[in-house]
Amino acid sequence: SQQGEEDPQALSIQEGENATMNCSYKTSINNLQWYRQNSGRGLVHLILIRSNEREKHSGRLRVTLDTSKKSSSLLITASRAADTASYFCATDGGGYQKVTFGTGTKLQVIP
Amino acid sequence: DGGITQSPKYLFRKEGQNVTLSCEQNLNHDAMYWYRQDPGQGLRLIYYSQIVNDFQKGDIAEGYSVSREKKESFPLTVTSAQKNPTAFYLCASSIWGGSNQPQHFGDGTRLSIL
Repeated sequence: SQQGEEDPQALSIQEGENATMNCSYKTSINNLQWYRQNSGRGLVHLILIRSNEREKHSGRLRVTLDTSKKSSSLLITASRAADTASYFCATDGGGYQKVTFGTGTKLQVIP
Repeated sequence: DGGITQSPKYLFRKEGQNVTLSCEQNLNHDAMYWYRQDPGQGLRLIYYSQIVNDFQKGDIAEGYSVSREKKESFPLTVTSAQKNPTAFYLCASSIWGGSNQPQHFGDGTRLSIL
């Protein structure tokens, strides 16, 4: 099944810095979603971006999508210790019925 | 508050035993999903249901079974045929099935073998 691959696998930054994580996928998509998972908890939806969109913002989050490169990035600005979590992208592989999650980027924000 | 409730939080299975994980939602969502997460891994889809009394296999359905008799409930049974059941199981729902819908997750059930 098609899967997004996040990069880097792990990222450690100081509080206040920006964090950027990337997702690459193999086949054309209709929609791409980003989720956050705190340790031992369920996932929380962050942003959904459609294939005809190039950028979306939500608070301190900025998602970009480059369909020609089959990649997306999630930028968290002015990071906080509470942003420490794993971040996953989810892609639909061109279908509409279900999504496939990547293996995630583990972000640590040091106070 | 609307949300998804998974129970129990921790579950232990003996050899040859079937166990059932509960998932209940009061969000009035049509679609529900079961995922398995292994340590340091992403989520893999076990089963999903887009409407009551209907469900489809996901990528790793072998050794699992589900039912969807009520809109609010989507229990997952891990059967004895699942030889490696130790994992974190997550249930999710969305307003309707489709990749253009955000999924809402429960807080998971951690299953271990005794």
